Amino acid sequence: DAKTTQPPSMDCAEGRAANLPCNHSTISGNEYVYWYRQIHSQGPQYIIHGLKNNETNEMASLIITEDRKSSTLILPHATLRDTAVYYCIVRLNQAGTALIFGKGTTLSVSS
Amino acid sequence: SQTIHQWPATLVQPVGSPLSLECTVEGTSNPNLYWYRQAAGRGLQLLFYSVGIGQISSEVPQNLSASRPQDRQFILSSKKLLLSDSGFYLCAWRGTGWGEQFFGPGTRLTVL
Repeated sequence: DAKTTQPPSMDCAEGRAANLPCNHSTISGNEYVYWYRQIHSQGPQYIIHGLKNNETNEMASLIITEDRKSSTLILPHATLRDTAVYYCIVRLNQAGTALIFGKGTTLSVSS
Repeated sequence: SQTIHQWPATLVQPVGSPLSLECTVEGTSNPNLYWYRQAAGRGLQLLFYSVGIGQISSEVPQNLSASRPQDRQFILSSKKLLLSDSGFYLCAWRGTGWGEQFFGPGTRLTVL
């Protein structure tokens, strides 16, 4: 799996958009970009994933650059409950392959 | 719907004692199953994964072992715990050919 680079921490005011960047310059053509988050003392929670096109769901939006070497997770209206460690992972969508977690970005949302 | 169970939720064990953590999945068949460990202040480390009954792949050589006696059951074991085995143990499953991986609630193990 390609490696990713994320800032160690970010701050965001409640109600504002949180934009979390991720660099994955060695991503291959058939690798997907996944985002998970881990709230303190809980298991990781799936947020969103994509291959080439931008994706949106009820939790967030994923913007992938045209060259696929970086992406941004957008939480449009951050709340205090969004405070968590956010992991950007790239992987092949094959049976048996596991998610390999890096250190992620600790997002702190404050009022 | 699919659910994943882990027990116990917390466990305190003395050094040198055995360990058995159980994970079961409901609502799916032939899942890929995974064990992860998160030491205090550290990231998630993949320990084992299994694509079927009796099939175990180890990612990191260590004091632990895993078994999959049934399709939806995954067990993490140790014969003699070390202090360094303390951590938050997470079980996860993934359907074949589908990207999303679901995690259980975890077991917090403290070895004293």
